[in-house]
Amino acid sequence: GENVEQHPSTLSVQEGDSAVIKCTYSDSASNYFPWYKQELGKRPQLIIDIRSNVGEKKDQRIAVTLNKTAKHFSLHITETQPEDSAVYFCAALSGGYQKVTFGTGTKLQVIP
Amino acid sequence: DGGITQSPKYLFRKEGQNVTLSCEQNLNHDAMYWYRQDPGQGLRLIYYSQIVNDFQKGDIAEGYSVSREKKESFPLTVTSAQKNPTAFYLCASSISGARDTQYFGPGTRLTVL
Repeated sequence: GENVEQHPSTLSVQEGDSAVIKCTYSDSASNYFPWYKQELGKRPQLIIDIRSNVGEKKDQRIAVTLNKTAKHFSLHITETQPEDSAVYFCAALSGGYQKVTFGTGTKLQVIP
Repeated sequence: DGGITQSPKYLFRKEGQNVTLSCEQNLNHDAMYWYRQDPGQGLRLIYYSQIVNDFQKGDIAEGYSVSREKKESFPLTVTSAQKNPTAFYLCASSISGARDTQYFGPGTRLTVL
């Protein structure tokens, strides 16, 4: 089955700096890669996703890049703000496209 | 995300007891999912259903059971066969399948006493 690895597990950055979270996946057939943000005590929410027909997607301060050859994808957050502090999960579509497999999460702390 | 609800918010169970977690959605979504969240382990899929009266095992289905008798409802039963049931349980739904955005409920925290 699909295996998604996510690094780092924790990340601290100064406000205004950039943050990068990296994920690798094992199933070369995976073609959909969402990112979810979970603030403390709240439910996960989709923040951005990318499909395998593009290599990069941006939405304001966040962007995701995908390298299908290397089977890795990354989340980039620029000009970080304290409200970006949360746990971020990457995921990859797998299992005959019936389910997504999540990474283990990255706890991002933005220091004011 | 107010369209998907879970109850109760906190649940306590004695060892050896079965317990059922509720998940309801009014988003008219076909697909529903149950995840277990443990510290440092991300979200692990327990069961999923893409249509009424049909469901499939996820990665950690042992000790759990589900039903999907109505489109709006996808209850999860944690049985006594689940050896380590204390966890945070999240339900989610999506329009038709895993290619679509998943909307999560607020979660149920289950503690076995």
